[in-house]
Amino acid sequence: EAGVAQSPRYKIIEKRQSVAFWCNPISGHATLYWYQQILGQGPKLLIQFQNNGVVDDSQLPKDRFSAERLKGVDSTLKIQPAKLEDSAVYLCASSSTTFSGGKSYEQYFGPGTRLTVT
Amino acid sequence: AQKITQTQPGMFVQEKEAVTLDCTYDTSDPSYGLFWYKQPSSGEMIFLIYQGSYDQQNATEGRYSLNFQKARKSANLVISASQLGDSAMYFCAMRESSYSSASKIIFGSGTRLSIRP
Repeated sequence: EAGVAQSPRYKIIEKRQSVAFWCNPISGHATLYWYQQILGQGPKLLIQFQNNGVVDDSQLPKDRFSAERLKGVDSTLKIQPAKLEDSAVYLCASSSTTFSGGKSYEQYFGPGTRLTVT
Repeated sequence: AQKITQTQPGMFVQEKEAVTLDCTYDTSDPSYGLFWYKQPSSGEMIFLIYQGSYDQQNATEGRYSLNFQKARKSANLVISASQLGDSAMYFCAMRESSYSSASKIIFGSGTRLSIRP
Protein backbone atom coordinates (compact mmCIF):
# COMPACT_ATOMS: atom_id res chain seq x y z
CA GLU A 1 0.00 0.00 0.00
CA ALA A 2 1.49 3.34 -1.06
CA GLY A 3 1.84 5.94 1.68
CA VAL A 4 0.91 9.61 1.75
CA ALA A 5 2.83 11.50 -0.94
CA GLN A 6 3.84 15.14 -0.69
CA SER A 7 5.73 17.48 -2.95
CA PRO A 8 7.94 19.34 -3.03
CA ARG A 9 10.08 18.10 -0.14
CA TYR A 10 11.89 21.41 0.23
CA LYS A 11 11.10 24.94 -0.85
CA ILE A 12 12.89 28.23 -0.32
CA ILE A 13 11.10 31.47 -1.20
CA GLU A 14 11.36 35.14 -0.37
CA LYS A 15 8.77 36.87 1.76
CA ARG A 16 5.73 38.13 -0.12
CA GLN A 17 6.09 35.37 -2.73
CA SER A 18 3.52 32.62 -3.11
CA VAL A 19 3.98 28.87 -2.75
CA ALA A 20 1.86 25.75 -3.15
CA PHE A 21 2.17 22.29 -1.66
CA TRP A 22 0.59 19.12 -2.97
CA CYS A 23 -0.60 16.04 -1.11
CA ASN A 24 -1.89 12.70 -2.34
CA PRO A 25 -3.43 10.64 0.49
CA ILE A 26 -3.55 6.89 0.85
CA SER A 27 -6.03 5.43 -1.59
CA GLY A 28 -9.49 5.22 -0.08
CA HIS A 29 -8.80 7.57 2.83
CA ALA A 30 -11.62 10.07 2.99
CA THR A 31 -10.12 12.33 5.68
CA LEU A 32 -7.15 14.55 4.88
CA TYR A 33 -5.30 16.88 7.23
CA TRP A 34 -2.78 19.67 6.75
CA TYR A 35 -0.54 20.51 9.70
CA GLN A 36 2.03 23.21 10.25
CA GLN A 37 5.00 22.21 12.41
CA ILE A 38 7.31 25.00 13.49
CA LEU A 39 10.77 23.87 14.60
CA GLY A 40 10.71 22.55 18.17
CA GLN A 41 6.91 22.43 18.39
CA GLY A 42 4.18 19.89 17.87
CA PRO A 43 2.11 19.85 14.68
CA LYS A 44 -0.74 22.36 14.55
CA LEU A 45 -3.81 21.47 12.52
CA LEU A 46 -4.46 23.99 9.75
CA ILE A 47 -7.34 22.34 7.94
CA GLN A 48 -9.18 19.02 7.89
CA PHE A 49 -11.19 17.70 4.95
CA GLN A 50 -13.63 14.84 4.84
CA ASN A 51 -14.03 13.89 1.20
CA ASN A 52 -14.01 17.33 -0.45
CA GLY A 53 -15.73 19.20 2.39
CA VAL A 54 -13.99 21.20 5.10
CA VAL A 55 -14.48 19.81 8.62
CA ASP A 56 -12.25 22.23 10.52
CA ASP A 57 -10.26 25.25 9.36
CA SER A 58 -10.41 27.26 12.57
CA GLN A 59 -6.61 27.66 12.75
CA LEU A 60 -6.03 28.42 9.08
CA PRO A 61 -4.88 32.05 8.54
CA LYS A 62 -7.41 32.66 5.83
CA ASP A 63 -6.01 36.02 4.78
CA ARG A 64 -2.98 34.28 3.30
CA PHE A 65 -3.55 30.50 3.39
CA SER A 66 -5.96 28.56 1.23
CA ALA A 67 -6.53 24.88 0.65
CA GLU A 68 -8.66 22.80 -1.63
CA ARG A 69 -9.39 19.15 -2.16
CA LEU A 70 -10.98 18.70 -5.52
CA LYS A 71 -12.76 15.41 -6.17
CA GLY A 72 -12.04 14.30 -2.61
CA VAL A 73 -8.59 12.93 -3.38
CA ASP A 74 -5.52 15.17 -3.88
CA SER A 75 -5.17 18.39 -1.97
CA THR A 76 -3.26 21.63 -2.45
CA LEU A 77 -2.26 24.10 0.26
CA LYS A 78 -1.28 27.59 -0.86
CA ILE A 79 0.34 30.52 0.92
CA GLN A 80 0.07 33.96 -0.67
CA PRO A 81 1.88 36.14 0.29
CA ALA A 82 4.36 34.29 2.50
CA LYS A 83 5.76 35.78 5.70
CA LEU A 84 8.95 34.93 7.57
CA GLU A 85 6.92 33.23 10.33
CA ASP A 86 5.52 30.75 7.80
CA SER A 87 8.87 28.95 7.80
CA ALA A 88 7.95 25.46 8.99
CA VAL A 89 7.37 21.89 7.91
CA TYR A 90 3.95 21.34 6.35
CA LEU A 91 2.69 17.85 7.02
CA CYS A 92 -0.14 16.14 5.24
CA ALA A 93 -1.90 13.16 6.81
CA SER A 94 -4.83 10.97 5.92
CA SER A 95 -7.09 8.55 7.72
CA SER A 96 -9.90 6.18 6.91
CA THR A 97 -13.50 6.80 7.92
CA THR A 98 -13.93 3.13 8.65
CA PHE A 99 -13.61 2.54 12.37
CA SER A 100 -10.66 0.21 12.78
CA GLY A 101 -11.48 -0.98 16.26
CA GLY A 102 -8.61 -0.24 18.54
CA LYS A 103 -6.94 2.50 16.53
CA SER A 104 -9.76 4.94 16.02
CA TYR A 105 -8.99 6.41 12.64
CA GLU A 106 -5.20 6.28 12.90
CA GLN A 107 -3.48 9.01 10.89
CA TYR A 108 -0.80 8.23 8.34
CA PHE A 109 1.63 11.06 7.65
CA GLY A 110 3.53 12.06 4.56
CA PRO A 111 7.22 13.04 4.63
CA GLY A 112 6.40 16.76 4.85
CA THR A 113 7.48 19.85 2.95
CA ARG A 114 10.11 22.01 4.61
CA LEU A 115 9.44 25.67 3.76
CA THR A 116 12.02 28.37 4.35
CA VAL A 117 10.93 31.98 3.87
CA THR A 118 13.83 34.47 3.61
CA ALA B 1 -11.40 22.62 25.37
CA GLN B 2 -9.08 19.70 24.80
CA LYS B 3 -5.44 20.08 25.80
CA ILE B 4 -2.31 17.95 25.77
CA THR B 5 0.69 18.69 28.01
CA GLN B 6 4.17 17.21 27.77
CA THR B 7 6.32 18.68 30.52
CA GLN B 8 9.68 17.14 29.59
CA PRO B 9 11.32 19.11 26.76
CA GLY B 10 14.29 16.73 26.69
CA MET B 11 15.55 13.53 28.27
CA PHE B 12 18.82 11.61 28.24
CA VAL B 13 18.75 7.88 28.92
CA GLN B 14 21.43 5.19 28.91
CA GLU B 15 21.05 2.50 26.26
CA LYS B 16 19.12 -0.59 27.44
CA GLU B 17 17.41 1.29 30.25
CA ALA B 18 13.66 1.79 30.36
CA VAL B 19 12.29 5.30 29.89
CA THR B 20 8.96 6.94 30.67
CA LEU B 21 7.72 9.94 28.71
CA ASP B 22 5.01 11.94 30.44
CA CYS B 23 1.74 13.10 28.93
CA THR B 24 -1.28 14.62 30.62
CA TYR B 25 -4.48 15.63 28.91
CA ASP B 26 -7.68 17.50 29.53
CA THR B 27 -11.04 16.86 27.96
CA SER B 28 -14.68 16.85 28.94
CA ASP B 29 -15.57 14.24 26.33
CA PRO B 30 -15.98 10.73 27.81
CA SER B 31 -14.98 9.16 24.49
CA TYR B 32 -11.45 9.94 23.36
CA GLY B 33 -8.33 8.32 22.02
CA LEU B 34 -4.72 8.89 22.90
CA PHE B 35 -1.81 8.40 20.50
CA TRP B 36 1.94 8.47 20.67
CA TYR B 37 4.05 9.32 17.63
CA LYS B 38 7.80 9.21 17.07
CA GLN B 39 9.49 11.79 14.85
CA PRO B 40 13.13 11.02 13.98
CA SER B 41 15.44 13.71 12.65
CA SER B 42 14.36 12.75 9.12
CA GLY B 43 10.98 14.33 9.90
CA GLU B 44 8.40 11.63 9.29
CA MET B 45 5.76 11.00 11.96
CA ILE B 46 5.59 7.35 12.95
CA PHE B 47 2.59 6.00 14.83
CA LEU B 48 3.61 4.00 17.91
CA ILE B 49 0.64 3.15 20.09
CA TYR B 50 -3.02 3.95 20.77
CA GLN B 51 -5.22 3.89 23.89
CA GLY B 52 -8.97 4.36 23.84
CA SER B 53 -10.72 5.91 26.81
CA TYR B 54 -12.93 2.84 27.23
CA ASP B 55 -10.14 0.32 26.90
CA GLN B 56 -9.88 -1.74 30.06
CA GLN B 57 -6.23 -2.69 29.65
CA ASN B 58 -3.15 -0.60 28.99
CA ALA B 59 -2.03 -0.76 25.37
CA THR B 60 1.20 -2.52 24.44
CA GLU B 61 3.07 -2.71 21.12
CA GLY B 62 6.38 -4.56 21.31
CA ARG B 63 8.76 -2.47 23.45
CA TYR B 64 6.18 0.29 23.81
CA SER B 65 3.50 0.35 26.48
CA LEU B 66 1.11 3.04 27.56
CA ASN B 67 0.59 3.66 31.28
CA PHE B 68 -2.99 4.93 31.16
CA GLN B 69 -4.28 6.45 34.40
CA LYS B 70 -7.72 7.75 33.54
CA ALA B 71 -8.52 9.38 36.89
CA ARG B 72 -5.27 11.35 36.75
CA LYS B 73 -5.73 12.07 33.02
CA SER B 74 -2.28 10.81 32.20
CA ALA B 75 -1.06 8.61 29.35
CA ASN B 76 2.64 8.06 29.78
CA LEU B 77 4.66 6.17 27.17
CA VAL B 78 7.06 3.53 28.48
CA ILE B 79 9.87 2.28 26.27
CA SER B 80 11.56 -0.82 27.61
CA ALA B 81 15.20 -1.68 26.85
CA SER B 82 15.92 1.55 24.97
CA GLN B 83 18.01 1.44 21.81
CA LEU B 84 20.11 4.05 20.03
CA GLY B 85 17.48 4.19 17.29
CA ASP B 86 14.92 5.40 19.82
CA SER B 87 16.57 8.84 19.81
CA ALA B 88 13.87 11.13 18.39
CA MET B 89 11.09 13.56 19.25
CA TYR B 90 8.04 11.93 20.79
CA PHE B 91 4.58 13.47 20.59
CA CYS B 92 1.48 12.65 22.58
CA ALA B 93 -1.80 13.39 20.81
CA MET B 94 -5.51 13.14 21.56
CA ARG B 95 -8.67 12.78 19.53
CA GLU B 96 -11.96 13.64 21.23
CA SER B 97 -15.15 11.88 20.18
CA SER B 98 -13.07 8.89 19.24
CA TYR B 99 -15.90 7.21 17.32
CA SER B 100 -16.22 10.15 14.93
CA SER B 101 -13.93 10.22 11.90
CA ALA B 102 -14.43 13.98 11.68
CA SER B 103 -13.03 14.83 15.11
CA LYS B 104 -9.64 16.49 15.10
CA ILE B 105 -6.40 15.43 16.74
CA ILE B 106 -4.31 17.82 18.82
CA PHE B 107 -0.65 17.32 19.65
CA GLY B 108 1.52 18.11 22.64
CA SER B 109 4.75 20.07 22.34
CA GLY B 110 6.89 16.95 22.34
CA THR B 111 9.80 15.43 24.26
CA ARG B 112 13.22 15.01 22.70
CA LEU B 113 14.66 11.67 23.78
CA SER B 114 18.38 11.05 23.43
CA ILE B 115 19.82 7.60 24.07
CA ARG B 116 23.43 7.43 25.27
CA PRO B 117 25.56 4.43 24.20
